[in-house]
Amino acid sequence: EIVMTQSPATLSVSPGERATLSCRASQSISSHLAWYQQKPGQAPRLLIYGTSTRATGIPARFSGSGSGTEFTLTISSLQSEDFAAYYCQQYHDWPRTFGQGTKVEVK
Amino acid sequence: EVQLLESGGGLVQPGGSLRLSCAASGFTFSTYGMNWVRQAPGKGLEWVSAISGSGDSTSYPDSVKGRFTTSRDNSKSTVYLQMNSLRAEDTAIYYCTKSGPSYYDSWGQGTLVTVSS
Repeated sequence: EIVMTQSPATLSVSPGERATLSCRASQSISSHLAWYQQKPGQAPRLLIYGTSTRATGIPARFSGSGSGTEFTLTISSLQSEDFAAYYCQQYHDWPRTFGQGTKVEVK
Repeated sequence: EVQLLESGGGLVQPGGSLRLSCAASGFTFSTYGMNWVRQAPGKGLEWVSAISGSGDSTSYPDSVKGRFTTSRDNSKSTVYLQMNSLRAEDTAIYYCTKSGPSYYDSWGQGTLVTVSS
């Protein structure tokens, strides 16, 4: 099973600042990585797939990068609606696995 | 607009069974794989099952293999999750998701399953 590890667990950022979230895979997953955002009491929503392709309707301030085992989600200028939990997920192999999540909170 | 509406959650005793349903609309159901993903209270996400568009291929993680079965009725645009031999650790919100194709591009609002005596 491919283990996905996210860091940090919690990220404290001021509105307007840049946020950088990391996701590491226990073995190479090529570019088969997705990112999801989840707000309290809501279902997750797809942000990015294929490591760097934004899903429909996702603002350009969200960007993804990386390959192999190291991946990054960057939010260039945090808006109030961006404070949430973020999960990475690999779809390179079965079983599909998620990271444990990073909570982005207001500093 | 894609809509996924789960139902069937509730309180069940350990060892019991429950069947979840997910009614889909807004896309050509039979051409997409469907999945169930769960989230225990205050925890992260765990993939639970996948089924191909035709229904002839399914997959499960070891944590539910042999206890959970997913199926679909393309004439009703509905996917199901039959859960048997339920354990306390199966307590979670269960989300129905649409494959896009291997990530999850649409999510339902979820249905809560509580396993407790």
